Amino acid sequence: KAGVTQTPRYLIKTRGQQVTLSCSPISGHRSVSWYQQTPGQGLQFLFEYFSETQRNKGNFPGRFSGRQFSNSRSEMNVSTLELGDSALYLCASSFTERGEAFFGQGTRLTVV
Amino acid sequence: EDQVTQSPEALRLQEGESSSLNCSYTVSGLRGLFWYRQDPGKGPEFLFTLYSAGEEKEKERLKATLTKKESFLHITAPKPEDSATYLCAPGLTGNQFYFGTGTSLTVIP
Repeated sequence: KAGVTQTPRYLIKTRGQQVTLSCSPISGHRSVSWYQQTPGQGLQFLFEYFSETQRNKGNFPGRFSGRQFSNSRSEMNVSTLELGDSALYLCASSFTERGEAFFGQGTRLTVV
Repeated sequence: EDQVTQSPEALRLQEGESSSLNCSYTVSGLRGLFWYRQDPGKGPEFLFTLYSAGEEKEKERLKATLTKKESFLHITAPKPEDSATYLCAPGLTGNQFYFGTGTSLTVIP
């Protein structure tokens, strides 16, 4: 069974640009959530989608947005990139609301 | 305010030297307490879920326990391959997790 797939694995962007990251969940999983991981703050929740609807949102500025498609694949977008957005972005998928989440390998974003 | 504290931040053990990691938490809407392991440059890997005080789960050299406000991850006779960062994550509404900053474990041969 294939795991959670995130693309690309690495990205280098310039301040002010925008970026789109992609996540393909485990087959059959309808919940997809996104996290930002930095050395200083650890893993912080960005948002969660279930059946194409955003169900929860973390405390991040509006520059961070996401969406989910009918096949459960999800994308997150960051506009007007800042140096502080450099981080590992992790996607996780779950089958049920009470179950564990399975994480992808992450996308390492570097903003220069 | 939701809060998760893991201790110690870092732990160095000799191979075979058992120890425990602590996670204390104050969160609203808790639906379960999750433990993950993370290796450098990789996504977290699921280990355990605990749902009620008194519950225990085991996997190889690891055992997780849960009280009302704390969880412990006991590592018995660790091996070098157990070296990783161990993350505690109270599960909130939906599939939102509130992660602690983790305990970095190094097991020396």
